[in-house]
Amino acid sequence: KAGVTQTPRYLIKTRGQQVTLSCSPISGHRSVSWYQQTPGQGLQFLFEYFSETQRNKGNFPGRFSGRQFSNSRSEMNVSTLELGDSALYLCASRSQRGAYNEQFFGPGTRLTVL
Amino acid sequence: ILNVEQSPQSLHVQEGDSTNFTCSFPSSNFYALHWYRWETAKSPEALFVMTLNGDEKKKGRISATLNTKEGYSYLYIKGSQPEDSATYLCAFDRYKLTFGKGTLLTVNP
Repeated sequence: KAGVTQTPRYLIKTRGQQVTLSCSPISGHRSVSWYQQTPGQGLQFLFEYFSETQRNKGNFPGRFSGRQFSNSRSEMNVSTLELGDSALYLCASRSQRGAYNEQFFGPGTRLTVL
Repeated sequence: ILNVEQSPQSLHVQEGDSTNFTCSFPSSNFYALHWYRWETAKSPEALFVMTLNGDEKKKGRISATLNTKEGYSYLYIKGSQPEDSATYLCAFDRYKLTFGKGTLLTVNP
């Protein structure tokens, strides 16, 4: 079974631009979550999508948004990029929303904002 | 805001040493606790999902215990090997994962 895939793996943008990251979950997984990893803050939860609906949201500004398609693939968008948005963005999928379900991570997208 | 604490922040051990780390989390409204191993340039790898008080799980030389009443979990590595070098993360799961900042383990040959 193929794992979670993310594209692109690396991205360089300038302040004020917007960016869209993509995540394809493990086949059959319906829940996709997004995380931001920075050296100072560690892994922080952005949001979770399940059956095309946002089910949970972390404490990030509205510039961070996402969506999920009918095939469970998910995209995350960041508008008006700031230098502080430079981070590793990870997505993770699990088969159901239940807390006892393992969550599998993708390799991440490294975003650099100049 | 949920607080998940891990200690120590980093650890250097010699090959063959046994070691353990701690994860502290809120003891109320517990759903599940996850442990991950994260090697540099790789994806976090799921080690254990723990749900019941008193749970003890084992995978090879790595094991974990859970105390939901007092809000802590221990991860043990027996006979550490250089390939165990990684950051070990715990995450409190209440439908969204709240991660600790991890314990960076370095095993010297």
